[in-house]
Amino acid sequence: AIQMTQSPSSLSASVGDRVTITCRASQGIRSDLGWYQQKPGKAPKLLIYAASSLQSGVPSRFSGSGSGTDFNLTISSLQPEDFATYYCLQDYNYPLTFGGGTKVEIK
Amino acid sequence: EVQLVQSGAEVKKSGESLKISCKGSGYSFTRYWIGWVRQMPGKGLEWMGTIFPHDSATRYSPSFQGQVTISADMSTTTAYLQWSSLRASDTAMYYCARRIVGPHDAFDIWGQGTMVTVSS
Repeated sequence: AIQMTQSPSSLSASVGDRVTITCRASQGIRSDLGWYQQKPGKAPKLLIYAASSLQSGVPSRFSGSGSGTDFNLTISSLQPEDFATYYCLQDYNYPLTFGGGTKVEIK
Repeated sequence: EVQLVQSGAEVKKSGESLKISCKGSGYSFTRYWIGWVRQMPGKGLEWMGTIFPHDSATRYSPSFQGQVTISADMSTTTAYLQWSSLRASDTAMYYCARRIVGPHDAFDIWGQGTMVTVSS
């Protein structure tokens, strides 16, 4: 199975900060990667699919980049509602595998 | 409105059986895969398996193969996740999610989650 390694596992940031989360695949997965946001007590929400395509309704401050084995999720200007846990998911092959998650906390 | 509505929280004992549900509405149920995702308390997301309701084609994670059964009923637009014999380690939140497939895949719609608590 493809392993997805996310870093950092947590970070503290202030409103207005630029934040970047990284996901590394154990083998090449083309651009078959999505990013999901989960707030406490809520279901995950799709932010980015195909590594860099913004899901409809998601604010443009979220962006994704990368292909092959290395991927980034960037929040250009962190807003109060962005404090959450973020997960990557590889869609390249079965079994689908999530990264371990990155918790974004308020500094 | 496209939505997935899951059945309510369950409290069971070890060894009991359980079937939880996920009802899709607002879209053509048979044209999209439905996946199940586990989240143990305080932990991350784990993909368990996925079913295509049109023909009941199913894919399981090796971690869950043989431990759970995923099924779907087109007539009621409902997907199911079931256990024949629960363990305390099955205590978790379970999410269903619609999977868009091709040219790019993703879980675009999620259910609200079903909390399963298993006591030993």
